[in-house]
Amino acid sequence: DTEVTQTPKHLVMGMTNKKSLKCEQHMGHRAMYWYKQKAKKPPELMFVYSYEKLSINESVPSRFSPECPNSSLLNLHLHALQPEDSALYLCASRTGWATNHHTGELFFGEGSRLTVL
Amino acid sequence: GQQLNQSPQSMFIQEGEDVSMNCTSSSIFNTWLWYKQDPGEGPVLLIALYKAGELTSNGRLTAQFGITRKDSFLNISASIPSDVGIYFCAGQLWSGGSNYKLTFGKGTLLTVNP
Repeated sequence: DTEVTQTPKHLVMGMTNKKSLKCEQHMGHRAMYWYKQKAKKPPELMFVYSYEKLSINESVPSRFSPECPNSSLLNLHLHALQPEDSALYLCASRTGWATNHHTGELFFGEGSRLTVL
Repeated sequence: GQQLNQSPQSMFIQEGEDVSMNCTSSSIFNTWLWYKQDPGEGPVLLIALYKAGELTSNGRLTAQFGITRKDSFLNISASIPSDVGIYFCAGQLWSGGSNYKLTFGKGTLLTVNP
């Protein structure tokens, strides 16, 4: 069982809706990630938070707005999305937090399947 | 940016056969990770490799971190039907400070015929 929990598992929204995806982990990891994955493609990095601060934004459109309220929670706020934004959105957190060696693994949640009509 | 070439793209094998897949890169990575993803689920970490030349096993899975740090392979022995899924390699690079970036290969779709 994954220890990264994502809700909801499925979300259908219209282009004018505002919704949020939520992610939670209680492993004490201090880095959390949002990825977007299209069918039969690898995950694509969207955002990285380290110590609750946004450290990487991979030029994601502003209709996606991440938020990290505390070290265990990560949200992705969605507004005015397009049908092409339909995808599996994956949250992940990282072990082995150190800046002077290169260990650590990324653990993924089960994803939130988003459909934009 | 870095790119990973993962091959083969897909494999159709009989139950009991061994499987091999690999990833190559034009640049080095600090860590290689192998994930398996079932339909509608998130990727599950299978094996993590940290040192060039490292060979690691996890049950019927064996993976190696290439000596040049630009490649890795994954072997599955005596395949079973539940091995079906998409296998992704991922190279991880520390980009300074507290930033690690993971680059994924395009995946290998494995089908096992009972």
